[in-house]
Amino acid sequence: GAGVSQSPRYKVAKRGQDVALRCDPISGHVSLFWYQQALGQGPEFLTYFQNEAQLDKSGLPSDRFFAERPEGSVSTLKIQRTQQEDSAVYLCASSPGLAGETQYFGPGTRLLVL
Amino acid sequence: GDSVTQMEGPVTLSEEAFLTINCTYTATGYPSLFWYVQYPGEGLQLLLKATKADDKGSNKGFEATYRKETTSFHLEKGSVQVSDSAVYFCALSMNRDDKIIFGKGTRLHILP
Repeated sequence: GAGVSQSPRYKVAKRGQDVALRCDPISGHVSLFWYQQALGQGPEFLTYFQNEAQLDKSGLPSDRFFAERPEGSVSTLKIQRTQQEDSAVYLCASSPGLAGETQYFGPGTRLLVL
Repeated sequence: GDSVTQMEGPVTLSEEAFLTINCTYTATGYPSLFWYVQYPGEGLQLLLKATKADDKGSNKGFEATYRKETTSFHLEKGSVQVSDSAVYFCALSMNRDDKIIFGKGTRLHILP
């Protein structure tokens, strides 16, 4: 298993609950990205890390969304007080870190907020 | 802002038919262009890419040419197979920050 892995694969949450989604990038990859894919839509950028530094969080839809990558490897996307509109597939991607390098995507976490 | 527009689906073709999925982009600068594919039950995979004008990306019989004058990157395949059934996403990246901007996707159904 040398690819990007994500857990859990499926998550059902009640409105108002907090959730945490995990991403394990390809070993040695410097760059890590989170995307949100609503049903029937293309993925939309959320945030970007270079090692442990969060260089771009312009895509996070609200201050309920928080991402971290404290040791420059595994990353966690946390959503506080989930709302129904947060229901989507959350994709993680990693790349070696040079500008223009191919991003490799994980299978995604499908979040359903009831 | 930067954006990608691709033809809406679903697109339904018979096996061995010729495929074209149209894609145009808007960008301030010179983006890299991509086609990603999402097979049923699988993650997003890079299909092909082109990094500068007039480059042609190709893979698995698919081709797309970066046309700066028409800001287009249309995906083509001469003879599709049932196994090509998937959702195809056109996308761009401005090298300066690497985030990928995706189109809405085109679902392709190939009938045997």
